[in-house]
Amino acid sequence: GAGVSQTPSNKVTEKGKYVELRCDPISGHTALYWYRQSLGQGPEFLIYFQGTGAADDSGLPNDRFFAVRPEGSVSTLKIQRTERGDSAVYLCASSPAGTGGFNEQFFGPGTRLTVL
Amino acid sequence: AQKVTQAQTEISVVEKEDVTLDCVYETRDTTYYLFWYKQPPSGELVFLIRRNSFDEQNEISGRYSWNFQKSTSSFNFTITASQVVDSAVYFCALRGRGSQGNLIFGKGTKLSVKP
Repeated sequence: GAGVSQTPSNKVTEKGKYVELRCDPISGHTALYWYRQSLGQGPEFLIYFQGTGAADDSGLPNDRFFAVRPEGSVSTLKIQRTERGDSAVYLCASSPAGTGGFNEQFFGPGTRLTVL
Repeated sequence: AQKVTQAQTEISVVEKEDVTLDCVYETRDTTYYLFWYKQPPSGELVFLIRRNSFDEQNEISGRYSWNFQKSTSSFNFTITASQVVDSAVYFCALRGRGSQGNLIFGKGTKLSVKP
């Protein structure tokens, strides 16, 4: 089946604007993760969903960042009042199961966010 | 605290050389999982291997092999007879038993294989 998809692939916005990034996980995967990858760094965890609920949002840097997954499938990462420091590639991953599992995470191609 | 260190920032080799990418991890969990991912220039992370903390057997998959040593908290990755298509950034990652499932990544090692 199809892999994880993310839209848009690129997003350029101005400082202070609001953006939404979308993730379509692999069908049937209950676990969904958002990561942020800055240039030259490894991905850093933002938030994890098991089904519809956020099981762990400890990686969100501040209250400008919020994510939802209302029907347990598609997820949207929302960033308010964007800042230049938010510029990064935002990666989404899905997995067949969540905690305690041995399962690998399947990553999408990412959304490259540039805040001018 | 959990941490993954990939001390090699960049490695450059000539095709057909063997190359080893180092990964050292820190965790207080007795059960944990280790992963390697490849990120080619296209950007999408590709899963290569997972290993749980109770399985110290080394693994070989084609030209790839992995050496897991709990005594030194290392999970090194070797590519034999490297090819240009192996050029990518390689990430080692850790997931603790007590975590909610998120991965802790190292900073990655950029491998360049020249013809």
